[in-house]
Amino acid sequence: QQQVKQSPQSLIVQKGGISIINCAYENTAFDYFPWYQQFPGKGPALLIAIRPDVSEKKEGRFTISFNKSAKQFSLHIMDSQPGDSATYFCAASVNSGYSTLTFGKGTMLLVSP
Amino acid sequence: GAVVSQHPSRVICKSGTSVKIECRSLDFQATTMFWYRQFPKQSLMLMATSNEGSKATYEQGVEKDKFLINHASLTLSTLTVTSAHPEDSSFYICSAKRGGLDTEAFFGQGTRLTVV
Repeated sequence: QQQVKQSPQSLIVQKGGISIINCAYENTAFDYFPWYQQFPGKGPALLIAIRPDVSEKKEGRFTISFNKSAKQFSLHIMDSQPGDSATYFCAASVNSGYSTLTFGKGTMLLVSP
Repeated sequence: GAVVSQHPSRVICKSGTSVKIECRSLDFQATTMFWYRQFPKQSLMLMATSNEGSKATYEQGVEKDKFLINHASLTLSTLTVTSAHPEDSSFYICSAKRGGLDTEAFFGQGTRLTVV
């Protein structure tokens, strides 16, 4: 049972456009929702994360929107740049240092020049 | 952010031999470390979770005798792939957490294992 569903699988956006990646979760116990960026041959790096007490969090060009009632959250990349081309993973976990992350399947983003 | 260093970044080994991958938290104490496996263009698959000083907890389907995990200190965890075979070729990634209420996981750079 996949607990975090991510879409789309791949995305092509023109430079300067907005990239939007969506995730939906099933486990209502999840209360930590990070997004990771991964370049080929590298480990994932935390991009931005949100907890369910807020509906939106913005860091630079990256924004997470969170809808608790719909059990959905999304990543918006404003003014997308070619350097943003990477694979993005959403994840979710329970608020505990020992809990594991449940990852989505990933979205390959290509920002065309 | 905290730094997790993984070594080696690439390794090629002969079939039947064992290979060890190290994961170090450089500037924090990692009470919990995680090992993942990632196939090309796929998501991270959790292999095991280890807490310092205790045995690792393996995910279903992961052979604990083949993938030996040792978390001997608060800054070091190792994954040993024993009697490696070509099907073990993959990208292995570790991550570490401080523990307590700190839920942020810091990832290593990954290790590309090729078994020939």
